[in-house]
Amino acid sequence: QVQLQQSGPGLVKPSQTLSLTCAISGDSVSSNSVAWNWIRQSPSRGLEWLGRTYYRSKWYNDYAVSVKSRITINPDTSKNQFSLQLNSVTPEDTAVYYCATYDRNYKYFDPWGQGTLVTVSS
Amino acid sequence: DIQMTQSPSSLSASVGDRVTITCRASQSISSYLNWYQQKPGKAPNLLIYAASSLQSGVPSRFSGSGSGTDFTLTISSLQPEDFATYYCQQSYNTPLTFGGGTKVEIE
Repeated sequence: QVQLQQSGPGLVKPSQTLSLTCAISGDSVSSNSVAWNWIRQSPSRGLEWLGRTYYRSKWYNDYAVSVKSRITINPDTSKNQFSLQLNSVTPEDTAVYYCATYDRNYKYFDPWGQGTLVTVSS
Repeated sequence: DIQMTQSPSSLSASVGDRVTITCRASQSISSYLNWYQQKPGKAPNLLIYAASSLQSGVPSRFSGSGSGTDFTLTISSLQPEDFATYYCQQSYNTPLTFGGGTKVEIE
C-alpha cells in the first residue's frame, strides 16, 4: 500500500523559506489516479489545505488563496517524491505540516505522512 | 470557500455510549463529505468517505449519514480507543476545507 515519509527541518527563521519533502512508496508520483497534497494544522487555523500537484498527461498545481503568492509544490519523478516550499515565512506559519494522498475517484485524503512540526522563530 | 461547521466542539461520554457528531456545510456539497479521526501526535485517519461509506478496516460501530449541507457521524457504542478528535472535510471543490473538530473525551 502507499506510504508517505516526510523530511525537512523543524525550525525556520522568519522571512526565510520552509522546505519539506514527501517520499512516496507503493505508488508513482506520476500516477493519474491521485493528487499529492500538503496540509498544515495549527491551534489557530485548524486543518488547512495548502495545495496539491498531480499528473494528468501533464503536471498541474492548485494552491490555497491564503498562501498562493508564497507556495510552490513540485514533483520529483527521479526520486518519486514531491516537495513543499513556502517563502517569506512568519511565526503564523508555525504548524504541523502533513503530506497526504488524495484519491481522484473517491475524493478523500488517505494515507497521510507522519507530520512535521515546523516552528518559525529567530 | 465552503465553510464546514462541526458541533459540538467537544463532548464527554462513557464507554458504551452512543455518540453523534454533526457537520454542516455553508452550501450544498452533495455527498462529498469525509470523516477523519485524529489521536494526539498522529495524522488524521480516514473513517468514512462519500458521507456514508466505511473505509476498509474501520470498525462497523462507526457510521455516517447525510447529504446536501447536513451530515452526521455516529459511534454506536463508544470504545476506549475512540477517545480522539474527529474532523469532517468537504471534497466538493477546492479549496478543500475541514471542520473545526470535535474532541471526544472520557466522562
